[in-house]
Amino acid sequence: AQKVTQAQTEISVVEKEDVTLDCVYETRDTTYYLFWYKQPPSGELVFLIRRNSFDEQNEISGRYSWNFQKSTSSFNFTITASQVVDSAVYFCAREGATNKLIFGTGTLLAVQP
Amino acid sequence: GAVVSQHPSRVICKSGTSVKIECRSLDFQATTMFWYRQFPKKSLMLMATSNEGSKATYEQGVEKDKFLINHASLTLSTLTVTSAHPEDSSFYICSAREATGTILNFGPGTRLTVT
Repeated sequence: AQKVTQAQTEISVVEKEDVTLDCVYETRDTTYYLFWYKQPPSGELVFLIRRNSFDEQNEISGRYSWNFQKSTSSFNFTITASQVVDSAVYFCAREGATNKLIFGTGTLLAVQP
Repeated sequence: GAVVSQHPSRVICKSGTSVKIECRSLDFQATTMFWYRQFPKKSLMLMATSNEGSKATYEQGVEKDKFLINHASLTLSTLTVTSAHPEDSSFYICSAREATGTILNFGPGTRLTVT
């Protein structure tokens, strides 16, 4: 199976610390898309980013940044100066030729005040 | 734009009864919708792909006779959990994409508890 692996099950940081969430994916597709979603306690999924497999440029959006390394099949997510409101489960996901979105196992981020 | 709604948001039912969950695309048409299931503290598992006007495509291991999916219109897909059992208790989430869209839009989810 073409898995998406998030090795960190839970991470706890103190507010204002930087934190990086790891994501490693498997795929046989030439063209694919990678995503990050945030799931707060309410349960609703919040879309954060979509990245095309041909675009390896890193991206920054406010306190969020993403590092896509095709050579290592990784798509890591960094939150700078974390805040309590960042506490949530974060999912990395991959979409390939089947157009199905396959999720990673998720990382629970707890930001302590 | 591109809002997906689900109804109900929360439902409690008794073992042996059936429960229907609705997924609607409010401001766009969706020929394809996806149903996911999420157990507590677990990932989202794709259950099936719902295709408007045709049969749903189920993922391996998902019982199609237990989880009936109907996609009768371009804005509505329903998931019916038949003869529910406590192990069916879960968070069910649907998603849909606009025809020209690149982002999969998710509904708010339905929490099912079977007693």
